[in-house]
Amino acid sequence: QVQLVESGGGVVQPGRSLRLSCAASGFTFSSYGMHWVRQAPGKGLEWVAVVSYDGSKKYYADSVKGRFTISRDNSKNTLSLQMNSLRAEDTAVYHCARDSLMFRGVSPFVWGQGTLVTVSS
Amino acid sequence: QTVVTQEPSFSVSPGGTVTLTCGLSSGSVSASYFPSWYQQAPGQAPRTLIYSTNTRSSGVPDRFSGSILGNKAALTITGAQADDESDYYCVLYMGSGICVFGGGTKLTVL
Repeated sequence: QVQLVESGGGVVQPGRSLRLSCAASGFTFSSYGMHWVRQAPGKGLEWVAVVSYDGSKKYYADSVKGRFTISRDNSKNTLSLQMNSLRAEDTAVYHCARDSLMFRGVSPFVWGQGTLVTVSS
Repeated sequence: QTVVTQEPSFSVSPGGTVTLTCGLSSGSVSASYFPSWYQQAPGQAPRTLIYSTNTRSSGVPDRFSGSILGNKAALTITGAQADDESDYYCVLYMGSGICVFGGGTKLTVL
């Protein structure tokens, strides 16, 4: 079955970096856009970034643009999120998600369970 | 910056029908926004109910349906059950690769 498993979360000091990974299985990874979505404690869902099926296009929310980088390795069925210059407001559970449509990046569809990132001194 | 709007809270009686909406602070929602709907229980990952306006995700009961009503996307729950009590989120594709979530609706069944 389709499965997404995130890893890499933890506690990090403000201004430092962290890299999240998402291992995908059960579908043709190279045919789908992939998203990162986060949820701060007690808050709603916030879309973070998307990468196209072939990795050629990447788009970001204004809140993370210039600090976060999304990437993928289709040979390893892996999605990544490099997070630099972390701030307290980046504290959240980060979910990776497969898109709903092949070769598109229009809406998250299949979700991982998420990994918690806590930015604190 | 366009904001995606949802009712903060809604209440429905068991067996009743409720329609949650997903709008824009400026403009109308259409199918080209690929509206999707998610249900999220506390401490759980979101579950996709509806995508591309009205396509039901596998395993989702047919009492959940999606549509465009007027200038908004809508999620209708027919015959509400106690375990429908949850948070519901919509997301819209704004074009140029950008997606935006609504603030979510807390649905109470009582």
